[in-house]
Amino acid sequence: GAVVSQHPSWVICKSGTSVKIECRSLDFQATTMFWYRQFPKQSLMLMATSNEGSKATYEQGVEKDKFLINHASLTLSTLTVTSAHPEDSSFYICSARWTGRYNEQFFGPGTRLTVL
Amino acid sequence: GEDVEQSLFLSVREGDSSVINCTYTDSSSTYLYWYKQEPGAGLQLLTYIFSNMDMKQDQRLTVLLNKKDKHLSLRIADTQTGDSAIYFCAEISADSWGKLQFGAGTQVVVTP
Repeated sequence: GAVVSQHPSWVICKSGTSVKIECRSLDFQATTMFWYRQFPKQSLMLMATSNEGSKATYEQGVEKDKFLINHASLTLSTLTVTSAHPEDSSFYICSARWTGRYNEQFFGPGTRLTVL
Repeated sequence: GEDVEQSLFLSVREGDSSVINCTYTDSSSTYLYWYKQEPGAGLQLLTYIFSNMDMKQDQRLTVLLNKKDKHLSLRIADTQTGDSAIYFCAEISADSWGKLQFGAGTQVVVTP
């Protein structure tokens, strides 16, 4: 149990286009999901906390108009990278918090975004 | 902000034990975690320990917590080539709203 999926697993897009990444908790409900960004050989950087039914909370330095987060249901959060540029190329990972298990976070497999 | 620090690299021979160390600064940490990340993949939770525990053992994994020194370690017994990965320690504090604070990750390379 406690599986988190992400879709797509990888995406290549042109500069200036928008890309949507989905994060789903498959067998549990998650009132809170987190979005991270990871650069090669670096740790995860928390971008924002996504709460079901309310606005996301962004970390300092993360542009909320560029990285749109929508947590529409207890099993789905989406991250949309708007007007993507090559510097947005990165590995994006989501996690979902299962409040029923010591607030444990389960991570998705990640989405590799490459902006040309 | 609060910091979590790890050594960046560990090389170990197959069959030996690996010990990965982590230090943290947040005295209000409630849970501490060890995650494993293989290339191109997400994070897999290996084990966690409550801040009121000193040790936790789970098959080949042993977690030791020294709360006084704010030191966490993960010991992998009988290390296998499949254990080659990046290992992240992370902590959650009572007032962090569930946000994990990660270390930089330790790359473990297991050699035959």
